[in-house]
Amino acid sequence: DAKTTQPPSMDCAEGRAANLPCNHSTISGNEYVYWYRQIHSQGPQYIIHGLKNNETNEMASLIITEDRKSSTLILPHATLRDTAVYYCIVRPSVSSNTGKLIFGQGTTLQVKP
Amino acid sequence: NAGVTQTPKFQVLKTGQSMTLQCAQDMNHEYMSWYRQDPGMGLRLIHYSVGAGITDQGEVPNGYNVSRSTTEDFPLRLLSAAPSQTSVYFCASSSPGTVLYEQYFGPGTRLTVT
Repeated sequence: DAKTTQPPSMDCAEGRAANLPCNHSTISGNEYVYWYRQIHSQGPQYIIHGLKNNETNEMASLIITEDRKSSTLILPHATLRDTAVYYCIVRPSVSSNTGKLIFGQGTTLQVKP
Repeated sequence: NAGVTQTPKFQVLKTGQSMTLQCAQDMNHEYMSWYRQDPGMGLRLIHYSVGAGITDQGEVPNGYNVSRSTTEDFPLRLLSAAPSQTSVYFCASSSPGTVLYEQYFGPGTRLTVT
């Protein structure tokens, strides 16, 4: 399983874009990058995933570098409700059947008014 | 869609008691799993199921049993509660295949064992 590295914490002003980086330099060709977040006292929430192309949905955008060794999750207009721990997770495209998600320490994003 | 629901939200048990944590989903997902989250730590997989009648162990299965008689329900049984099982328990579900890791989590059950 590819290891991911994220900064432990980040601040962002409300209304501004929040850019959360993730390094996954050992990622292999069949592994996807997933992003989840966990708001305090709630269950983790799926945000987005991608393989090599940039992806966008109603919650966020995911930018993956061409060499796929790093990615950035972008919340375009952060609100106070986006304050959470954000997890970058690398998993294979071909499921190993366990479906196990490996949550590391993540990045604690604090959105400030 | 209610999504993934878990009951109870909170539970206090005495050492040695048994109980069942309930998990249900209404998305017709084949894959379901149970995690525990200890304070300041990541989630650890307890048991998982890839479909009705099929279950398997995750990384911390000891002290827990599961069964999957229907697609919708995946209860977690604590056989003889111990203080080390004090934790927050999350249930998750998804479809298999390429979206296996796009998982939907319930709100959690906060369990305290005294």
